[in-house]
Amino acid sequence: NAGVTQTPKFQVLKTGQSMTLQCAQDMNHEYMSWYRQDPGMGLRLIHYSVGAGITDQGEVPNGYNVSRSTTEDFPLRLLSAAPSQTSVYFCASGSGSYEQYFGPGTRLTVT
Amino acid sequence: AQSVTQPDIHITVSEGASLELRCNYSYGATPYLFWYVQSPGQGLQLLLKYFSGDTLVQGIKGFEAEFKRSQSSFNLRKPSVHWSDAAEYFCAVGLYNQGGKLIFGQGTELSVKP
Repeated sequence: NAGVTQTPKFQVLKTGQSMTLQCAQDMNHEYMSWYRQDPGMGLRLIHYSVGAGITDQGEVPNGYNVSRSTTEDFPLRLLSAAPSQTSVYFCASGSGSYEQYFGPGTRLTVT
Repeated sequence: AQSVTQPDIHITVSEGASLELRCNYSYGATPYLFWYVQSPGQGLQLLLKYFSGDTLVQGIKGFEAEFKRSQSSFNLRKPSVHWSDAAEYFCAVGLYNQGGKLIFGQGTELSVKP
């Protein structure tokens, strides 16, 4: 039981490049979420999903896309990277009890 | 709009001293409340949670938290801090019928003096 896994752990992009951050969970959780963490701002919700085929925007969705074709996977796509997207990204999953379990994070730098 | 406030950005305590980290929330209904801990370079680990019932909840690593509805607070406490407790602590609110969404406070960084 690996819990929530994220790849890659580190990534450097140039402005304008696109990429996908991968997230997978093996706990059969219906909820999955993406957060970004910036110093002094806590974690802010980017997008979330309440089940396969259902996604919705969080607090800071601009510049990011998500899809959820399976219960296990919830990739986050950066369409055209900008320096403002330099951050640490966390994926989380949870069930009806609302608590969420977090992955180890992806540290992204956009130059 | 819902919000979570952690008034203390950074706290330093001596090893063996007691600890209280403050958390206030703004939400129109009874929220689901959480405290998470993050060690440097790591993900977030759930310390404890409150959904309903007894307003004093126990968590892992000797932590406890008390929900006070009248003060919209959910403060985290530990009677005796260990050096390994140095980390960043986040309070979070889950919203009724909005599974998958947590609203986080800004975090409190805890340093422990020997």
